[in-house]
Amino acid sequence: DAMVIQNPRYQVTQFGKPVTLSCSQTLNHNVMYWYQQKSSQAPKLLFHYYDKDFNNEADTPDNFQSRRPNTSFCFLDIRSPGLGDAAMYLCATSRDSPQETQYFGPGTRLLVL
Amino acid sequence: QKEVEQNSGPLSVPEGAIASLNCTYSDRGSQSFFWYRQYSGKSPELIMFIYSNGDKEDGRFTAQLNKASQYVSLLIRDSQPSDSATYLCAVNFNSGNTPLVFGKGTRLSVIA
Repeated sequence: DAMVIQNPRYQVTQFGKPVTLSCSQTLNHNVMYWYQQKSSQAPKLLFHYYDKDFNNEADTPDNFQSRRPNTSFCFLDIRSPGLGDAAMYLCATSRDSPQETQYFGPGTRLLVL
Repeated sequence: QKEVEQNSGPLSVPEGAIASLNCTYSDRGSQSFFWYRQYSGKSPELIMFIYSNGDKEDGRFTAQLNKASQYVSLLIRDSQPSDSATYLCAVNFNSGNTPLVFGKGTRLSVIA
């Protein structure tokens, strides 16, 4: 089945230790997104790739970076995680443009010790 | 400023009742509207989308859109305890290539 896959599902890291979360998709969708979601809050868009074009939200901290080496994969790098970065990180895709339906992966829950 | 507003709830309804979830948005030029359901600890999943004024039905779910009044609602008929979740409204503001803007969600609790 075509889907959005996120690995790992749970990630524990130490304060200040870089961590990378990964997302892959078999949908051949053009757009990929990364969201941060904290408990009882709405998903917060960090950035998205529209094909190869990277779009960073204005309030996304510099501590967060992303890479999309090809259509299928997208990575979220947190260079120096702080306690406040503990959250669920959601990857999503849209078929052709950012104005379309978004399909979410299962998420990666990040714990920072 | 593109905004999507939802009452955070919780909205409590008895099993078998109709649950009505509302969403308002800031831009009259908005084109498409999406409802997602998110269970606790899980990712959002699409329930349905609507583009045109009026009602759109899918099983127990009905989306209602009123562009003149800038609101979209989701009705859940014959509510079940398994419908207890947070419901997120998302809006395409049709502004360049700006992604959907999500509301903060309404938490629904269906009481058996």
